[in-house]
Amino acid sequence: DAGITQSPRHKVTETGTPVTLRCHQTENHRYMYWYRQDPGHGLRLIHYSYGVKDTDKGEVSDGYSVSRSKTEDFLLTLESATSSQTSVYFCAIRPDREETQYFGPGTRLLVL
Amino acid sequence: KNQVEQSPQSLIILEGKNCTLQCNYTVSPFSNLRWYKQDTGRGPVSLTIMTFSENTKSNGRYTATLDADTKQSSLHITASQLSDSASYICVVRFSSGGSYIPTFGRGTSLIVHP
Repeated sequence: DAGITQSPRHKVTETGTPVTLRCHQTENHRYMYWYRQDPGHGLRLIHYSYGVKDTDKGEVSDGYSVSRSKTEDFLLTLESATSSQTSVYFCAIRPDREETQYFGPGTRLLVL
Repeated sequence: KNQVEQSPQSLIILEGKNCTLQCNYTVSPFSNLRWYKQDTGRGPVSLTIMTFSENTKSNGRYTATLDADTKQSSLHITASQLSDSASYICVVRFSSGGSYIPTFGRGTSLIVHP
């Protein structure tokens, strides 16, 4: 998985609780992305980062926030989880001057 | 709105047979098109990437074609193996002032039976 880890790999939580997912890379790449994947949908971009403290919204950013205080870590936070945020979340990195994204193993989140 | 449509949604074939997956897109202006393979429970892995000027690109038993005029791509798998069972995702990037925002298809689920 190209030096990308995600934690936790599985999580069950209750509606209204905050949840933070972590993406960690060992390659010091500038670009990092958070996606969600749901049945009947392609991967959808939530937020992305192009450097420390540099982030921007994707197409489904409502209800999510991100932070990147270090190059190697990109955090995705659900401030108050809802059942509609039950999904599989993938982190990806993209090396500079490359077009290919490399994906982490995913985090399966269930919001009850 | 930029869209990527894949067909069929799912496909079942016997081991050793060939198959072709389709991808149509409306992304404009077009930058490149990529096919990913996603095994169950894992993240997608890139198979091929094609730019506007490329018609065909191969990666082992996988051959991707691109017709930029009709905005269609196909992924042909030759002599399928059980390990080819996966979801195949078409991803198109459009050019937008240097920003990199890919558009993902919903994928084709391929099952290879022995």
